[in-house]
Amino acid sequence: SYEVTQSPSVSVSPGQTASITCSGDKLGDKYVCWYQQKPGQSPVVVIYQDRKRPSGIPERFSGSNSGNTATLTISGTQAMDEAEYYCQTWDSSTVVFGGGTKLTVL
Amino acid sequence: EVQLVESGGGLVQPGGSLKLSCAASGFTFSGSAMHWVRQASGKGLEWVGRIRSKPNNYATSYAASVKGRLTISRDDSKNTAYLQMNSLKTEDTAVYYCCRLDPEMEVIWGQGTLVTVSS
Repeated sequence: SYEVTQSPSVSVSPGQTASITCSGDKLGDKYVCWYQQKPGQSPVVVIYQDRKRPSGIPERFSGSNSGNTATLTISGTQAMDEAEYYCQTWDSSTVVFGGGTKLTVL
Repeated sequence: EVQLVESGGGLVQPGGSLKLSCAASGFTFSGSAMHWVRQASGKGLEWVGRIRSKPNNYATSYAASVKGRLTISRDDSKNTAYLQMNSLKTEDTAVYYCCRLDPEMEVIWGQGTLVTVSS
């Protein structure tokens, strides 16, 4: 079965750029979504179709996907961005989630 | 307003059954494949399964961990999807989310409903 891998944690200073990666075999051939989840809340999509932002998501969130790696980039990271982030893709008849990355804003 | 609202969660004993509902509004439910995703406390997101639309014969697909015990169905006349959960195990304890997860459509998630399997 298809798998995608995320680093368990990323730390960033306020105002700096955070990069969260998601790796999988030929992931660049698939669409990727990114979700932000804060404690006690449902996941919120911040990027869909690799690089598109839903309405209401700040411009500091951006995405890319090429080769075997998709990347979520948060520019000018704010304290409110501290959360768990999950990547998600599709493989034949199934949906696949990454294990999640805890973003800490120090 | 685009919305998915889950209901039916609660406490059930191991080996028991429970049926969750997901009421959709604000989008063309009948044209959408619907998915269920779960999340155990402190854990990541786990895809449970999905049901496709009528033109795709309402085809279903499930994660290996739930196949044969959990069944997804839908009633397009009621804009509602269901998750029938049988032979429940303690490891099925989780928040269950109903979602529209389609690479070509707007992604939609419900607020989730908690299922606790315990004696």
